[in-house]
Amino acid sequence: DAKTTQPNSMESNEEEPVHLPCNHSTISGTDYIHWYRQLPSQGPEYVIHGLTSNVNNRMASLAIAEDRKSSTLILHRATLRDAAVYYCILRDTRTYKYIFGTGTRLKVLA
Amino acid sequence: NAGVMQNPRHLVRRRGQEARLRCSPMKGHSHVYWYRQLPEEGLKFMVYLQKENIIDESGMPKERFSAEFPKEGPSILRIQQVVRGDSAAYFCASSPGPLGGAFFGQGTRLTVV
Repeated sequence: DAKTTQPNSMESNEEEPVHLPCNHSTISGTDYIHWYRQLPSQGPEYVIHGLTSNVNNRMASLAIAEDRKSSTLILHRATLRDAAVYYCILRDTRTYKYIFGTGTRLKVLA
Repeated sequence: NAGVMQNPRHLVRRRGQEARLRCSPMKGHSHVYWYRQLPEEGLKFMVYLQKENIIDESGMPKERFSAEFPKEGPSILRIQQVVRGDSAAYFCASSPGPLGGAFFGQGTRLTVV
């Protein structure tokens, strides 16, 4: 299973953009890049996913490097409710399972 | 459309008892995943099931743990003869197919005393 590397923690000010990086240098051509977040005492929440092209939805944007060895989750305006652990996951389309790493703990400052 | 429903939310068992965790996937979802999360750790994959089939159980302990997803009814994660080390949050996720995003339930927090 391909691995991802994320910073352990990041801080952001409220209402400012946040860029959460993820390295996945061993990604294969069949791996989708998924992002989930987990608030305290809750289950993971789907944020966004993509394969090669950048993706946007109401929650966030996903920027994928041209060589696919890294990606960045962009929260356009952080709110206090965005404080969570953010997981970058490579989902193998052969096995379909999600392999979670340790994620990035995002702290949003008021 | 209700989300993924897990019950019970909290479960306390004495050592040696059996624990049964239930997961009702979202309507129309035929793929279910189970994960375990120890305190302050990430989620560990346990098993991936489709209706009536186990697709991947590479994360399941070889003994005492089993999972099923029958044609009718919820998916069940069963832990026999629980030990203190089984205390964790167990999360279930469902998806309509093998691709696309999966949706997680709120988890069952198992405490073995």
